[in-house]
Order: sequence, then structure tokens, then C-alpha cells
Amino acid sequence: GQNIDQPTEMTATEGAIVQINCTYQTSGFNGLFWYQQHAGEAPTFLSYNVLDGLEEKGRFSSFLSRSKGYSYLLLKELQMKDSASYLCAVTDSNYQLIWGAGTKLIIKP
Amino acid sequence: GAVVSQHPSRVICKSGTSVKIECRSLDFQATTMFWYRQFPKKSLMLMATSNEGSKATYEQGVEKDKFLINHASLTLSTLTVTSAHPEDSSFYICSARGGGQDYEQYFGPGTRLTVT
Repeated sequence: GQNIDQPTEMTATEGAIVQINCTYQTSGFNGLFWYQQHAGEAPTFLSYNVLDGLEEKGRFSSFLSRSKGYSYLLLKELQMKDSASYLCAVTDSNYQLIWGAGTKLIIKP
Repeated sequence: GAVVSQHPSRVICKSGTSVKIECRSLDFQATTMFWYRQFPKKSLMLMATSNEGSKATYEQGVEKDKFLINHASLTLSTLTVTSAHPEDSSFYICSARGGGQDYEQYFGPGTRLTVT
């Protein structure tokens, strides 16, 4: 079967760094997305990785290891507005998005 | 960037009535549109995938006679919840994909449906 695993909830302190991990087992792989979702709103795109390595975009970075079926989203210099759910999603061989359950990130002052 | 709109953003209807939700890609042609449902504090659940001009492909467990999907043009898809019941109350989100090498899905803002 297809499976995406990520922690249910994480807590971090404002100004700190947090890493949200995602492991996946899917039928085929055509890229991995990270989305941010605030409560009551639709997801917004953060990053897309299809090759191994680290992609940096401002305070957010995303890493992919296809051989390990593993990705992480790294958030630096955390701000209160970063409190949200972070969704990991993998595009499978049929180019369908397989979603993780999301990680609720709580930022404390 | 690619923009997807949804209408209405919020709707309250009585049990037994039908509700139509529209999803439009405003600045690109969406060869494929997706409809998701999200329960509180849960991840997105794919309901169906629709390609322009063809019948939608429904995920297992989704009643196609209850959730009617029409993708009549490259910029518009509609989801009609027929004979709505309180358990249909949810957050419905559409997304659109342009095709070609662009595999990203662009999300609409979502529609909050409350059935009383």
C-alpha cells in the first residue's frame, strides 16, 4: 500500500529551528511537496523536491533522499505566524498526490 | 502565479437540498482538477479526479451519485452535493493542475459547507 508518515504534532520556540520529517512508501515517485495549511484555510505551496538534496528558499528548506524514502522540512528563525499544519505529499507513478496526515506545529514565545 | 477560485466560500443549506460548488482556474487551463474533503484536524481526503470532457474518477468509498462532478471546460469544474445531510458538512477544497511538466496542484481557497 501507499503510506506517508509524519509526526502528528511538534512544539518549538519563536526564533528557533525546527525540522519536520516525512517518510514515504509509494508506488512510484514523481516528486515530493510540502504544503503549509493554517486552520480553516486551503494549503499553500512551500516546496517541491524531485532530486536528492537540499532546496533552500528563505527561512524554509526541504531535503529529499529518494533511496531512503525520506524528506524533511526545515524552518529557521521561527515566527509565531509559522504556527500551522505542514503537509507532506508525494506524487506517485500515476501523478496522483498521496497526502500525509500533516504535522501541527505549535510555536511558543 | 496560477490562481484557482472557489465559489461560494461558505454555504449553509438545509438537509435534503443540493448544493453546487464551483472551482475555476483563472489564469491557466486546468487539464485535471481534484476535489478534496477535509474533516477538522484531519488531512485532505481525495474524493475524485476529473479531466476535462470526461467522467470523473472517484476514490473508493465516495458515492458518485451523491457527489456529482462536472468538468465541462478547461477552466471550470463543479461539485454538487445532492440531498445533503448533516454528515456532509465539511471543508471542500478543489485543486487544479495545468498538465505537461507542471505537476504542482494549485489549490482553491475552499468552501465551508454546513448542512442543518
